[in-house]
Amino acid sequence: DGGITQSPKYLFRKEGQNVTLSCEQNLNHDAMYWYRQDPGQGLRLIYYSQIVNDFQKGDIAEGYSVSREKKESFPLTVTSAQKNPTAFYLCASSMGGDEQFFGPGTRLTVL
Amino acid sequence: GQQVMQIPQYQHVQEGEDFTTYCNSSTTLSNIQWYKQRPGGHPVFLIQLVKSGEVKKQKRLTFQFGEAKKNSSLHITATQTTDVGTYFCAGQDSARQLTFGSGTQLTVLP
Repeated sequence: DGGITQSPKYLFRKEGQNVTLSCEQNLNHDAMYWYRQDPGQGLRLIYYSQIVNDFQKGDIAEGYSVSREKKESFPLTVTSAQKNPTAFYLCASSMGGDEQFFGPGTRLTVL
Repeated sequence: GQQVMQIPQYQHVQEGEDFTTYCNSSTTLSNIQWYKQRPGGHPVFLIQLVKSGEVKKQKRLTFQFGEAKKNSSLHITATQTTDVGTYFCAGQDSARQLTFGSGTQLTVLP
């Protein structure tokens, strides 16, 4: 059964902590993306990767970091430098820039 | 950079009424995609339009791409409660960068 998985579904972070959100896909897609969604708003691109061991900053990369060591995996770290990290984080993948397939998302709350 | 504006932000309709959301890009697009996000869910791809003036239909949904490839619309005929959700357009430029609009949140009153 192909698809994208994200974990955890809910995540709580204390101020000053780094946290890592997991994203795995078995669709054999080359490109993967991380988006942030705030209540009532659209999707803003954080980072994207078009190939293993390469990634680019999106519109709101400050305070976030990523890695792409394997084709299937694209974890996102929310660092303590991100001042307002509470949001819904969505991971997506695509083949050749076509339609994007989204994971179920992770809701991050800063306590 | 590329900007994609979408209106209205919210729309409440009575079940059976029609609904339309509009999308405008600051630059000419290679294609435009439409996604639907149900409450509490994640965006799901609906359709992609590529050609100037293209019109595509999916049952009660009609998608249009403008002649100048800078605007698009989604029209739903005779809304049902299952149509509830947020509809996003996403414009792709020549560099294959996808920019999402802010979405239109549709509420259908029974």
